[in-house]
Amino acid sequence: DTEVTQTPKHLVMGMTNKKSLKCEQHMGHRAMYWYKQKAKKPPELMFVYSYEKLSINESVPSRFSPECPNSSLLNLHLHALQPEDSALYLCASSPGGGGRGVNGYTFGSGTRLTVV
Amino acid sequence: QQQVKQSPQSLIVQKGGISIINCAYENTAFDYFPWYQQFPGKGPALLIAIRPDVSEKKEGRFTISFNKSAKQFSLHIMDSQPGDSATYFCAASRDTNAGKSTFGDGTTLTVKP
Repeated sequence: DTEVTQTPKHLVMGMTNKKSLKCEQHMGHRAMYWYKQKAKKPPELMFVYSYEKLSINESVPSRFSPECPNSSLLNLHLHALQPEDSALYLCASSPGGGGRGVNGYTFGSGTRLTVV
Repeated sequence: QQQVKQSPQSLIVQKGGISIINCAYENTAFDYFPWYQQFPGKGPALLIAIRPDVSEKKEGRFTISFNKSAKQFSLHIMDSQPGDSATYFCAASRDTNAGKSTFGDGTTLTVKP
């Protein structure tokens, strides 16, 4: 299995809602990432988990809360979002968290989030 | 401060032609340079990557050229096809930084039939 699976593919939520994005990989990768991508822009890093521990938080607002329940799963909990948070949210994984083991990412297809 | 600068922003090439996209980086600690291809509505997909101990890497119609002294690298797509029409992102990372990549701004490639 060489895929990163993200659910749901599309999500519309109100500013008072609580929702979660899910990501799953079965490649044995030990680093997992959340990225946010606006139209016609490159992906922007939000969070990095290395060996199931949060290693990087790119000063993301607390209305975004990541969780890594195990080495295959990554969640992003959403609460009280703003319309400007509407974007494509991408999950990615890579083989290792450091050293020569680091390679390119395998991205999921993303969740298209619309905040109304 | 943008650490990876990508050009051009958009590129139109005739079918069968060569597409060339360029990137320049600033941080000499970067030691892994991938290129990603993204189609509309999809996540980026790793296309090809290079490390600074080689000057060129070829995979099929895709070639990365790397110039360490100039801190530049480029993607060449030979015999470009309409199916290559996509957005291409270069990136750079340091192995010791939990795989955190810095992306260029992207190039939208259109290959005309």
